[in-house]
Amino acid sequence: AQKITQTQPGMFVQEKEAVTLDCTYDTSDQSYGLFWYKQPSSGEMIFLIYQGSYDEQNATEGRYSLNFQKARKSANLVISASQLGDSAMYFCAMRFLGSSASKIIFGSGTRLSIRP
Amino acid sequence: DAGVTQSPTHLIKTRGQQVTLRCSPKSGHDTVSWYQQALGQGPQFIFQYYEEEERQRGNFPDRFSGHQFPNYSSELNVNALLLGDSALYLCASSPGAGANVLTFGAGSRLTVL
Repeated sequence: AQKITQTQPGMFVQEKEAVTLDCTYDTSDQSYGLFWYKQPSSGEMIFLIYQGSYDEQNATEGRYSLNFQKARKSANLVISASQLGDSAMYFCAMRFLGSSASKIIFGSGTRLSIRP
Repeated sequence: DAGVTQSPTHLIKTRGQQVTLRCSPKSGHDTVSWYQQALGQGPQFIFQYYEEEERQRGNFPDRFSGHQFPNYSSELNVNALLLGDSALYLCASSPGAGANVLTFGAGSRLTVL
């Protein structure tokens, strides 16, 4: 069975510092995708970054990068130069790519708070 | 370009009642998925609709049902409401059932008293 684990319920970071949000996953599938979503207090889930299991390079999107360590089944999100607007819930998620209709499984989330 | 729109944004029901939530997908998207997010937890997959058919279903009882219309909009129906059904219900759309990236709406917050 597929499972996502986020072990940090909450984090406090000083503005402009870099922050790493941890995510480990469990799957026996070979073809899968990993995602990070941001959820501000408004409730909307905002897509941040995607990494395919066969991608050899770590994904980057602006200030976001995904530290993908396949052997360790780890997909940590790194946010560089944090901003006050980064304060939100962050969810790691996974999808099996072998099916044309496949659900996305989410972790329990990490609440990130940026201090000015 | 409007994203995913959901209605209503908030609603309060009592146990045993029925509720219908609505979702209009992002322009160009034909697939709709529904998720339930209980307070303090990550979203849980309910089901996905594509070509007006339920394509995949999560671990939810038959009290949860849905529909997709020819214009790709969708409804989520929950019958015989329980206190535990109180949650944020998120609709997500995508261009195809196998698309990797979902676009989410802001959700409908249901409170069951």
